[in-house]
Amino acid sequence: GENVEQHPSTLSVQEGDSAVIKCTYSDSASNYFPWYKQELGKRPQLIIDIRSNVGEKKDQRIAVTLNKTAKHFSLHITETQPEDSAVYFCAQRKGAGSYQLTFGKGTKLSVIP
Amino acid sequence: ETGVTQSPTHLIKTRGQQVTLRCSSQSGHNTVSWYQQALGQGPQFIFQYYREEENGRGNFPPRFSGLQFPNYSSELNVNALELDDSALYLCASSPQRGLSTDTQYFGPGTRLTVL
Repeated sequence: GENVEQHPSTLSVQEGDSAVIKCTYSDSASNYFPWYKQELGKRPQLIIDIRSNVGEKKDQRIAVTLNKTAKHFSLHITETQPEDSAVYFCAQRKGAGSYQLTFGKGTKLSVIP
Repeated sequence: ETGVTQSPTHLIKTRGQQVTLRCSSQSGHNTVSWYQQALGQGPQFIFQYYREEENGRGNFPPRFSGLQFPNYSSELNVNALELDDSALYLCASSPQRGLSTDTQYFGPGTRLTVL
């Protein structure tokens, strides 16, 4: 199957602390793993993605790690700020010829000032 | 560069009716995917269009259908609406390279309420 399990469902952190969200997938053919941020009433926005030939990718305060053997990938946000508060979704896509993204159920991140 | 746009923003229908939602892809993108996002859930893939043909479909019944036009814009049609069809419908566009689609960028969505 193409399930994606995402944990935790809710996460509260103090401003300045780090936040980590984890996703596991079941399909070993998956080769693309994006993360989306969705603020209330707005569209999902791509914040970072990683492909299966890479183990880690960073963009300023955001990083994603991928463990293909264990079939899990994680989003790391450092030095969190109140504007990081949103729902974060992980997703995965199978290899060439596959068209759909399969999403996790989301993590509601609250950054407390 | 123009982002993905969708219309209408909100829509209220009654059970049994039909609805058409519209999407304009981002400039330079020729592939459009449609997703349904129920409240508190992640988006679920409905189908994708490339070169005016459906080329991938999720687990949705045939009453969900679509079109893509030569300018790459797209429509999602839902017939015989049911209460469970109430959701945010998201359109995402991507540039297609080779045989696999690349990064998908979402539009603002259409909030459909079925009474």
